[in-house]
Amino acid sequence: DQQVKQNSPSLSVQEGRISILNCDYTNSMFDYFLWYKKYPAEGPTFLISISSIKDKNEDGRFTVFLNKSAKHLSLHIVPSQPGDSAVYFCAASSASGGSYIPTFGRGTSLIVHP
Amino acid sequence: GAGVSQSPSNKVTEKGKDVELRCDPISGHTALYWYRQSLGQGLEFLIYFQGNSAPDKSGLPSDRFSAERTGGSVSTLTIQRTQQEDSAVYLCASSLGFGRGNTEAFFGQGTRLTVV
Repeated sequence: DQQVKQNSPSLSVQEGRISILNCDYTNSMFDYFLWYKKYPAEGPTFLISISSIKDKNEDGRFTVFLNKSAKHLSLHIVPSQPGDSAVYFCAASSASGGSYIPTFGRGTSLIVHP
Repeated sequence: GAGVSQSPSNKVTEKGKDVELRCDPISGHTALYWYRQSLGQGLEFLIYFQGNSAPDKSGLPSDRFSAERTGGSVSTLTIQRTQQEDSAVYLCASSLGFGRGNTEAFFGQGTRLTVV
């Protein structure tokens, strides 16, 4: 049973348009959410995070939206660039036992074509 | 180095052999995680170390898997009597630990394990 779900395994977007990657979670105890980006043969790199006390966090071209009632978050990339082509992982964590161990989704492969 | 370093980057082993995977976390990071990614799957949590606390081993898939962290720094993940289903990329990450704002984990490049 996956606690963090990324239901779209892949997404194709034209350069300059908006990319929207979606993530759903089932554990209502999750209170911190992160997005990671992964290129082939590399480890994931941290992209952006959001605390459950917020509903939006923005960093340059990247914005994460959190809808706690729907247990849903999304990552918006505007404008999309070919260099954004990568696998994007959504992760969620909670202070279970005092430790925040991120639980990851299966990832969405984003392809931005010129 | 400045980042998380894992070795070897690739490992091919015969079924039934033991393997050891090494992780050098970022200096000063008290939290260390091991994950694995099997083909077509997400990142599966294996084990978590935080400072001198007892590790969280809840993600280890079987008793063939073990890990240790010596001196609060370098960690070794050991897989005994490897099976073909152990084939995956094993990722190590570290973070400052404690508190939500310090949990952005920095990952190494991973060790690709292939059991033949």
